[in-house]
Amino acid sequence: SQQGEEDPQALSIQEGENATMNCSYKTSINNLQWYRQNSGRGLVHLILIRSNEREKHSGRLRVTLDTSKKSSSLLITASRAADTASYFCATDTGGFKTIFGAGTRLFVKA
Amino acid sequence: NAGVTQTPKFQVLKTGQSMTLQCAQDMNHNSMYWYRQDPGMGLRLIYYSASEGTTDKGEVPNGYNVSRLNKREFSLRLESAAPSQTSVYFCASSERGIDEQFFGPGTRLTVL
Repeated sequence: SQQGEEDPQALSIQEGENATMNCSYKTSINNLQWYRQNSGRGLVHLILIRSNEREKHSGRLRVTLDTSKKSSSLLITASRAADTASYFCATDTGGFKTIFGAGTRLFVKA
Repeated sequence: NAGVTQTPKFQVLKTGQSMTLQCAQDMNHNSMYWYRQDPGMGLRLIYYSASEGTTDKGEVPNGYNVSRLNKREFSLRLESAAPSQTSVYFCASSERGIDEQFFGPGTRLTVL
């Protein structure tokens, strides 16, 4: 099964609301990354959090990492219609083999 | 800067045909990757190249070969295409293995 698993699989919210996505993983990691994919496009890197960090911010994005629970969350505040996309967590366990989860599909209604 | 480019964008093959997917990056990155994305399964690593001159298998290498032609280019070859290889293929690059990856736009491949 996948190293990283996102929850929920799909999320539908109104513009202006916050969106929270979670990622759980199984083995120890060096870092965890979040990516966004718009329909039919390649992935775009959003944020990287290292195993010794607990929280990181980038604009409207907040990522937390709890290595004791092997989980991470991505919070998008004040969502916009343009945030509609799939969001993937990716775990780096070393050796160049980054493992991606199946993703959360976010739909933001205007 | 174009970033990561991939050709072709779309391809339809018949079972047993061969083809090569091309990937190039202009960011002077050391590491390059090939992934496939199937519906509901996220991305799976096929092969990667940690640096020029080296290639290694990823999670799903069977049925594929790769060539790191130079620091810029990393190609993926299907020697005898099968319907199970119908997928979207993404190439990516990074400065080092622990860094963020930059993705190309993808190649949508259908094998009939």
